[in-house]
Amino acid sequence: GAVVSQHPSWVICKSGTSVKIECRSLDFQATTMFWYRQFPKQSLMLMATSNEGSKATYEQGVEKDKFLINHASLTLSTLTVTSAHPEDSSFYICSASGPTGNNQPQHFGDGTRLSIL
Amino acid sequence: DAKTTQPTSMDCAEGRAANLPCNHSTISGNEYVYWYRQIHSQGPQYIIHGLKNNETNEMASLIITEDRKSSTLILPHATLRDTAVYYCIARAGGSARQLTFGSGTQLTVLP
Repeated sequence: GAVVSQHPSWVICKSGTSVKIECRSLDFQATTMFWYRQFPKQSLMLMATSNEGSKATYEQGVEKDKFLINHASLTLSTLTVTSAHPEDSSFYICSASGPTGNNQPQHFGDGTRLSIL
Repeated sequence: DAKTTQPTSMDCAEGRAANLPCNHSTISGNEYVYWYRQIHSQGPQYIIHGLKNNETNEMASLIITEDRKSSTLILPHATLRDTAVYYCIARAGGSARQLTFGSGTQLTVLP
């Protein structure tokens, strides 16, 4: 089945630093990737939609200058949390879909747990 | 996308069938029903999806009522590893569209 790899799985860093998270589709070409955020005991919330070769579309309330998304190839999208602060600590999850059909499922990475001290 | 309603939690004995219901009374004709599950501290895992016919794969069966207003996910022989939050999502065609997650059902499989 389709595999989406997310890296790193866990990161701890100091407040004010920037963190990059990678999302790769390993065995299919992902024309669209999605970035979600999940706080403890809550459901996944969509942050942005990333399309290969074009600018990401951000959900309302998500700061595009803080959460930089790059989808430079059909197999890789990156999310950079710039100048991270403790309130950015969360579980970040990506998903990817390919151009294989209108009803095909999305496949998710295993998530990145980000802790800002 | 149509709103879905699921019970907050369910228990199931190990080895028995787990039947997880989902209501989607406002679903439109072009919306599929997708089921995902999320085991603690992992990304969601795709289980199954369908439009109007019942579907079965190696993980589960999906039963959709004739009026498409509700569906049931069936795990035929639940194991402890099936303990997870199960999400039922209605989404119109177009794999490039996002999935909207509700609260899901916390399924606990008991030994």
